Amino acid sequence: GENVEQHPSTLSVQEGDSAVIKCTYSDSASNYFPWYKQELGKGPQLIIDIRSNVGEKKDQRIAVTLNKTAKHFSLHITETQPEDSAVYFCAASRGLTGGGNKLTFGTGTQLKVEL
Amino acid sequence: DADVTQTPRNRITKTGKRIMLECSQTKGHDRMYWYRQDPGLGLRLIYYSFDVKDINKGEISDGYSVSRQAQAKFSLSLESAIPNQTALYFCATSAHWTGTNEQFFGPGTRLTVL
Repeated sequence: GENVEQHPSTLSVQEGDSAVIKCTYSDSASNYFPWYKQELGKGPQLIIDIRSNVGEKKDQRIAVTLNKTAKHFSLHITETQPEDSAVYFCAASRGLTGGGNKLTFGTGTQLKVEL
Repeated sequence: DADVTQTPRNRITKTGKRIMLECSQTKGHDRMYWYRQDPGLGLRLIYYSFDVKDINKGEISDGYSVSRQAQAKFSLSLESAIPNQTALYFCATSAHWTGTNEQFFGPGTRLTVL
């Protein structure tokens, strides 16, 4: 089955700095890579995702890059703000047509944005 | 997400007891999932269901069972709870017809087995 590794487990940055979280996956058939943000006391919420037919996707201060050859993908948050403090999870899936959208999650990164 | 609700939100029980966690959704989604979250281990899939009467095992189904009584309801049971089932449990939903893979999570149930 799929195995997703995520690093670092904790990340502390100063407000305004950039944060990068990295994930690797093992299943070459995976083609969908979402990132979820979990705020304290809440369930995870999708913040951005990327499919294997593109190498980069951006949404305001958040971007995700994908390297299919190396089987790794990364989340980039620029101009970090205190409200970015949360746990972030990467995940991989074969998508809707391959395995029915089962997600395999990484182990999570606790991001702390300090003032 | 208020469209996905879980009951109870917190539960403390004893070893050997049978426990049921319930999930309801008003999103009209056909697919539902149960995950458990443990510190340092992320979220792991326990069971998932693509429609009523459809049940599939995830990566850690041992010690758990589920029931999809209706499209909007998906229950997780621990037949005989043990301490290493202490965890945060999440229900999630998705819809195959939207063309996206997004899963919507409930607020979670914190289960403690003594």
